[in-house]
Amino acid sequence: GAVVSQHPSWVICKSGTSVKIECRSLDFQATTMFWYRQFPKQSLMLMATSNEGSKATYEQGVEKDKFLINHASLTLSTLTVTSAHPEDSSFYICSARGWGFQPQHFGDGTRLSIL
Amino acid sequence: TQLLEQSPQFLSIQEGENLTVYCNSSSVFSSLQWYRQEPGEGPVLLVTVVTGGEVKKLKRLTFQFGDARKDSSLHITAAQPGDTGLYLCAGGPLANAGKSTFGDGTTLTVKP
Repeated sequence: GAVVSQHPSWVICKSGTSVKIECRSLDFQATTMFWYRQFPKQSLMLMATSNEGSKATYEQGVEKDKFLINHASLTLSTLTVTSAHPEDSSFYICSARGWGFQPQHFGDGTRLSIL
Repeated sequence: TQLLEQSPQFLSIQEGENLTVYCNSSSVFSSLQWYRQEPGEGPVLLVTVVTGGEVKKLKRLTFQFGDARKDSSLHITAAQPGDTGLYLCAGGPLANAGKSTFGDGTTLTVKP
């Protein structure tokens, strides 16, 4: 149980393109979803927390107009990187958590490469 | 702000050796999770500990939660190359919709 699907797993696109990443909880209702960015050999850097039906809460230094997050249902959250540039290239990972003090379950990540 | 200090940051050992990874904080957590992440993949949940003093075993891995729920350790017995990866500890939120606090991770390499 507790499967989180993240799609796509790998994106290569030109500078200026907007990219949408989907995160789905397949077998549980995710009241809270998280979006992380990870650099090589480093830990996870939280970008934002989203609760279903509410606006996302962004961490300090993360541009909310650059990284648009939508959590419209209990099983789906999306992250859109708008007008992506090479410095946005990274590994993006989502996680989902059910009600209460449940642990987070992670997707397999999306490798984003902006040329 | 809750912080989790994880040590060591990097660990390289030979197959068959034992090792311990530590996760320490001055804050109390509702629970603590350990994850393992392999390159190019998302972290996979290994265990959740909830009760102070709790010990859980998963084959060759032993997890302990401190009595005061501020720290935890992960001990691996007779490490194997398949144990190689990034190990992350995460302190559970104190509020229902709150966020977890992650340690900086321990990169473990087990050489055959």
